[in-house]
Amino acid sequence: KNQVEQSPQSLIILEGKNCTLQCNYTVSPFSNLRWYKQDTGRGPVSLTIMTFSENTKSNGRYTATLDADTKQSSLHITASQLSDSASYICVVSVSLTGMRFGAGTRLTVKP
Amino acid sequence: NAGVTQTPKFQVLKTGQSMTLQCAQDMNHNSMYWYRQDPGMGLRLIYYSASEGTTDKGEVPNGYNVSRLNKREFSLRLESAAPSQTSVYFCASSGQGVGYEQYFGPGTRLTVT
Repeated sequence: KNQVEQSPQSLIILEGKNCTLQCNYTVSPFSNLRWYKQDTGRGPVSLTIMTFSENTKSNGRYTATLDADTKQSSLHITASQLSDSASYICVVSVSLTGMRFGAGTRLTVKP
Repeated sequence: NAGVTQTPKFQVLKTGQSMTLQCAQDMNHNSMYWYRQDPGMGLRLIYYSASEGTTDKGEVPNGYNVSRLNKREFSLRLESAAPSQTSVYFCASSGQGVGYEQYFGPGTRLTVT
């Protein structure tokens, strides 16, 4: 069983709408939790990094939250744009060589 | 800055053939990594190099070898390709320390027939 589970697997929303992506993990303890954006045919790009003691971290229209008690994180995207169409990957880090990647949520934003 | 570059972008191999995937970074990072990404699965670490002159196995090292040629370059070699090695391969680099950002290359899409 994957130690990092993401839901939904895919999501379609209309441009301008908000959405929330979920990440549940079993890795414990961990050093930080990351969210990456991966455009089709490209490498992942970091959106946020949160330590286990942080509850929320924002990067523009992206806001990540972390609940270490329930081992859940979410990524909220506000006022979606067509360019937000991508896969979003949750990563829980024990160390730089002990990173556990989720399979990702594929988001499609339609006009 | 080009960041992390990888060559080639695409490759098709026959079973048993060998090839080397090249990776270079211009961010003066000590640590470099090779991952593979398969459909429906998260990225998995193949090998990493914490610093020039050192390499260590990751989660899925079987069938692969690596060389840290210098601080900039980290190559991944498939000695005898198998269909199970069909995947997208990503190279990444970072500073040292668990809080450091990892920067990924654009990937190499490899098909083994």
